[in-house]
Amino acid sequence: AQKITQTQPGMFVQEKEAVTLDCTYDTSDPSYGLFWYKQPSSGEMIFLIYQGSYDQQNATEGRYSLNFQKARKSANLVISASQLGDSAMYFCAMREGRGDYKLSFGAGTTVTVRA
Amino acid sequence: EAQVTQNPRYLITVTGKKLTVTCSQNMNHEYMSWYRQDPGLGLRQIYYSMNVEVTDKGDVPEGYKVSRKEKRNFPLILESPSPNQTSLYFCASSFISGFNYGYTFGSGTRLTVV
Repeated sequence: AQKITQTQPGMFVQEKEAVTLDCTYDTSDPSYGLFWYKQPSSGEMIFLIYQGSYDQQNATEGRYSLNFQKARKSANLVISASQLGDSAMYFCAMREGRGDYKLSFGAGTTVTVRA
Repeated sequence: EAQVTQNPRYLITVTGKKLTVTCSQNMNHEYMSWYRQDPGLGLRQIYYSMNVEVTDKGDVPEGYKVSRKEKRNFPLILESPSPNQTSLYFCASSFISGFNYGYTFGSGTRLTVV
């Protein structure tokens, strides 16, 4: 079974607008962490934001926020005030269990910001 | 600067010619791993290592070998590469601090097997 599902292969967003990238996950472990990474065309993986399963508040990092809905098993990434430099592939990933470092990744969403 | 260094960044090789992709980290992390990235599949774990001389298979280990003789190095070995191993490869090292896990990825190695 797919552990991380990203249903949007590609999205277009107008500069300065907000965009929401969907991510749903599947785990029965109460201890897990959710990550979002950005991959620009140069290929490197850039860490954006993290949400732990026991965190009471939604994570925020600058223009990035994570809409964590535990009961629905969703962890959507919201990018506010999009910039041209936000054009990239975005991956949602999950680590589950204690002592297990393995990350399970979704298929990714390509975001293109239009001027 | 804390980093994971992978080499080479780009590699084109022929079927069956053994190759090694090197990975080195300077953060004294115990856990290191290799992933491959393919379109529509995201990243999938190939092998991981919990410490020196301790390695184990990930989700897609067929056709790959690894070794961990020193804490800082974790090379990925393709003994007889095949075209289906054409992919983007990432090395990562990881740490745990309290309940939080952190990951540092290398810059990636784009491998083409013809």
